[in-house]
Amino acid sequence: DAKTTQPTSMDCAEGRAANLPCNHSTISGNEYVYWYRQIHSQGPQYIIHGLKNNETNEMASLIITEDRKSSTLILPHATLRDTAVYYCIVRGTSGSRLTFGEGTQLTVNP
Amino acid sequence: DAGITQSPRHKVTETGTPVTLRCHQTENHRYMYWYRQDPGHGLRLIHYSYGVKDTDKGEVSDGYSVSRSKTEDFLLTLESATSSQTSVYFCAISESRTDEKLFFGSGTQLSVL
Repeated sequence: DAKTTQPTSMDCAEGRAANLPCNHSTISGNEYVYWYRQIHSQGPQYIIHGLKNNETNEMASLIITEDRKSSTLILPHATLRDTAVYYCIVRGTSGSRLTFGEGTQLTVNP
Repeated sequence: DAGITQSPRHKVTETGTPVTLRCHQTENHRYMYWYRQDPGHGLRLIHYSYGVKDTDKGEVSDGYSVSRSKTEDFLLTLESATSSQTSVYFCAISESRTDEKLFFGSGTQLSVL
């Protein structure tokens, strides 16, 4: 599975959009991009995933570049409860398990 | 939240003692996983199960064993706990092998003194 690179930490003002980048330059054609987050002292929570097209659900939007070498998770109106570590994971359909890296610590400030 | 219960939530034990952590689910999901989380290492897969009595090793399985006698229960056993096994342990479930919408439990904080 492709390796991902994320910034260690980011800050965002409450009510503003939070844009979390992820680089996955070695991604292959059948690999999906997944995003999870982990709020302090809780288990990780699934957010969204995509292959090529942009995706949106009730939690976030996922923008994947045309060459698929990078993606951005967008939280449109960040709240204090969105403060968490966000993990970007790339995984194929071969049945290999999800591998969590260190993620990005997003801090939403009042 | 998905119906996943981990027990105990916290445990302190001594080196060399056996420890069993329990994961119980009410979702009837086929796949269950045990992860450990440590600073600087992220989440690492210990063992997983793809059905009753069907289990396999993850990337950090040494020193751990698992059992799954019922769909709803997945047990993680440390036969002889060591200080290096001090960690937060998370159980997760998923519906299928390729469905990686994992649902996680709240974790067990284990301290081995």
